[in-house]
Amino acid sequence: DADVTQTPRNRITKTGKRIMLECSQTKGHDRMYWYRQDPGLGLRLIYYSFDVKDINKGEISDGYSVSRQAQAKFSLSLESAIPNQTALYFCATSENGQGFRQPQHFGDGTRLFIL
Amino acid sequence: SQQGEEDPQALSIQEGENATMNCSYKTSINNLQWYRQNSGRGLVHLILIRSNEREKHSGRLRVTLDTSKKSSSLLITASRAADTASYFCATDAGGSSNTGKLIFGQGTTLQVKP
Repeated sequence: DADVTQTPRNRITKTGKRIMLECSQTKGHDRMYWYRQDPGLGLRLIYYSFDVKDINKGEISDGYSVSRQAQAKFSLSLESAIPNQTALYFCATSENGQGFRQPQHFGDGTRLFIL
Repeated sequence: SQQGEEDPQALSIQEGENATMNCSYKTSINNLQWYRQNSGRGLVHLILIRSNEREKHSGRLRVTLDTSKKSSSLLITASRAADTASYFCATDAGGSSNTGKLIFGQGTTLQVKP
């Protein structure tokens, strides 16, 4: 079983719809992250969380919200989807302690297409 | 804003050849990491090099870091078809920041032909 699981793997939806992408992990890590990947732009950080009560905006948080329901679960929501949010979305986790020295562990992504 | 820029954007070699990818960054860092992404999959951590290290090895991977030039290189020796993937460098925010946030480059797409 994957350590970091994202659901759904693929989603097609219409402009204006509310969408939730879910991430769960079995690694026992405190830190969780949401990224989006666009061709030619690498990965950009949307939100990150150090624990259930600590959530922070990343580089491109506008139009997104998150919920950290438990240590193992971190959800990303698009309240009203727009076509330029079409992208590949990744969840990642890392251990606590000297955060800048910790590798991140990624799920396999959710491919989101907004009509 | 992007921290890392990678060069080349795409690289195609024959199996058995070496592949070299370069990464440049803009601000001071505590460490630099390299990740691999196979098509349709998430990123997988390959190696981390600290700012006080100049070279690090892991199997067929060799990473160098030149903080004076703000650049790093990833060398894959004796490449295999299974090395076909995109490779990303990622840096932290530097200083005393302990957020764990990473800033990724745009990646190099490597194709290894059998």
